[in-house]
Amino acid sequence: EAGVAQSPRYKIIEKRQSVAFWCNPISGHATLYWYQQILGQGPKLLIQFQNNGVVDDSQLPKDRFSAERLKGVDSTLKIQPAKLEDSAVYLCASSLFRTGRSYEQYFGPGTRLTVT
Amino acid sequence: DQQVKQNSPSLSVQEGRISILNCDYTNSMFDYFLWYKKYPAEGPTFLISISSIKDKNEDGRFTVFLNKSAKHLSLHIVPSQPGDSAVYFCAASKAPSGYALNFGKGTSLLVTP
Repeated sequence: EAGVAQSPRYKIIEKRQSVAFWCNPISGHATLYWYQQILGQGPKLLIQFQNNGVVDDSQLPKDRFSAERLKGVDSTLKIQPAKLEDSAVYLCASSLFRTGRSYEQYFGPGTRLTVT
Repeated sequence: DQQVKQNSPSLSVQEGRISILNCDYTNSMFDYFLWYKKYPAEGPTFLISISSIKDKNEDGRFTVFLNKSAKHLSLHIVPSQPGDSAVYFCAASKAPSGYALNFGKGTSLLVTP
């Protein structure tokens, strides 16, 4: 079974520029999450999708961050404009929905963003 | 505010001994707890979980204990192996069916030969 795919793996941009990350979840996983992990911290949820609908985006800085999940499969996360404090690893995860192991989230390798 | 706390940033254990990683939480609504393991440049991988209706769950060398009254859980690894060296994250969730995880800051475990 293929895992969660993310690209790019690394990205360096200057502040005020824009950037986009892509995620392809495990086939059949209805739930998709984007987490932000700042160095020395645990992952923090940015947004959760159920199919192509948003379940929770309460911690997404909506003035600069946006995300979409077209057709309930792939997802993109965009930052525009980027700030220095956005430097972090952006993790995508997916999980099955309403199964005995629905809590088990499978993570991709992440995208390491450096904003200079 | 940090609802899941791992107060030990690092832990060093000799190979063959027991590793004990601790985690505390503040939100009494959490009812499902998980441990994830993370190697450098990789995403976290699921290790073991426990529901709030249990106080212990075992999977091979890994055992998780839950003390609801103390809002505390721990992960025991016996015996520890050098390949266990990684960052371990404790996570908690409020409800079933795909609620997002609240993570601690992680504990870096080093198992020395």
